[in-house]
Amino acid sequence: GENVEQHPSTLSVQEGDSAVIKCTYSDSASNYFPWYKQELGKRPQLIIDIRSNVGEKKDQRIAVTLNKTAKHFSLHITETQPEDSAVYFCAARIQGAQKLVFGQGTRLTINP
Amino acid sequence: GAVVSQHPSWVICKSGTSVKIECRSLDFQATTMFWYRQFPKQSLMLMATSNEGSKATYEQGVEKDKFLINHASLTLSTLTVTSAHPEDSSFYICSAREEAVGSGYTFGSGTRLTVV
Repeated sequence: GENVEQHPSTLSVQEGDSAVIKCTYSDSASNYFPWYKQELGKRPQLIIDIRSNVGEKKDQRIAVTLNKTAKHFSLHITETQPEDSAVYFCAARIQGAQKLVFGQGTRLTINP
Repeated sequence: GAVVSQHPSWVICKSGTSVKIECRSLDFQATTMFWYRQFPKQSLMLMATSNEGSKATYEQGVEKDKFLINHASLTLSTLTVTSAHPEDSSFYICSAREEAVGSGYTFGSGTRLTVV
């Protein structure tokens, strides 16, 4: 089955700097890759997603890149702000399947 | 956008009792819903896929007789933790997707279960 590895587990950056979180997946048949932000005790919120027919997608300060050959995708947050502090999860879905497989999560801390 | 409602948000129960958690899709129909468990500082672990009108599909290692799932309508799935024990204490969260429009997955607000 699909396996998703996420790195780093924790990340601390200065406010205004960029943050990058990386994920790799094992099944080349995966075709959908969402990123979720989860604040303590709250539900995960979808912040951006990308499908396998696209290499990059951007939404304001957030971007996701996908390298199908290497089977990895990354989340990029620019001009970080304190409210970006949260746990971020990547996920992958195999084509034809319904379920998402999640990475282990990255605790991002933005230092003022 | 799609909204998923989950109740209760938190519950405390005694060992040996059962607890039911509800997950509703408020503005769309969901033939499939997903139930996750999340321990502190850990990732979301899929427990089972709930299928409307049929049996749920459980992930390896999840006891189907302990975690009963019912998906009797296109907008409601329930998870019942039977004979709860302290090790069942966790954050349970459901998810659904508005398949008709191919949208992303929306999560419920989660249920914090504490078994004493």
